[in-house]
Amino acid sequence: AQTVTQSQPEMSVQEAETVTLSCTYDTSESDYYLFWYKQPPSRQMILVIRQEAYKQQNATENRFSVNFQKAAKSFSLKISDSQLGDAAMYFCAYRRGGGADGLTFGKGTHLIIQP
Amino acid sequence: AAGVIQSPRHLIKEKRETATLKCYPIPRHDTVYWYQQGPGQDPQFLISFYEKMQSDKGSIPDRFSAQQFSDYHSELNMSSLELGDSALYFCASSPPRGLDGYTFGSGTRLTVV
Repeated sequence: AQTVTQSQPEMSVQEAETVTLSCTYDTSESDYYLFWYKQPPSRQMILVIRQEAYKQQNATENRFSVNFQKAAKSFSLKISDSQLGDAAMYFCAYRRGGGADGLTFGKGTHLIIQP
Repeated sequence: AAGVIQSPRHLIKEKRETATLKCYPIPRHDTVYWYQQGPGQDPQFLISFYEKMQSDKGSIPDRFSAQQFSDYHSELNMSSLELGDSALYFCASSPPRGLDGYTFGSGTRLTVV
């Protein structure tokens, strides 16, 4: 069974600085997708960024980028120019490719932005 | 843009009662997923439906059942409610093959007293 591990329960960063959230996963599949979701205090789950395992190029969405290391099974999220609105729980998630499989989430990282 | 609609937003039930949660996916999304998120926990996958057929099953208790209807909306039925069922229940939908990731609804907060 696949597992997702986020080793940082909480991270703190100064506004405008850069922070990296860690995620590792374990799977025997070759076709899969990885995601980062943001959950602010409203509890809404918001997709931040996604990565297809077959793509070597790291995904980027504005200030958010990932470092996908397939061999190491690592999928870290970098947030540049941190803003107060980035404060939230961040969940790393895995899904096997194809079909309608559910997401497997990590335990989450609580990101605090210091003004 | 249309989002995933869940109803009700909040629900309070007593132990041993029954609850029904509803989910209306984004138009043209044919796949629906249900998740349960307890306090301070990560979301746990319960069940998914593709084209009205059950597709994948996670940690859904036997007391729970779900289905997807012809208009693609889905309902999660929960019977013999227990205190431990108190949680935020998310529905998510995705287009065919889910390549664009999921879109989550705002959730239904169920409190069992």
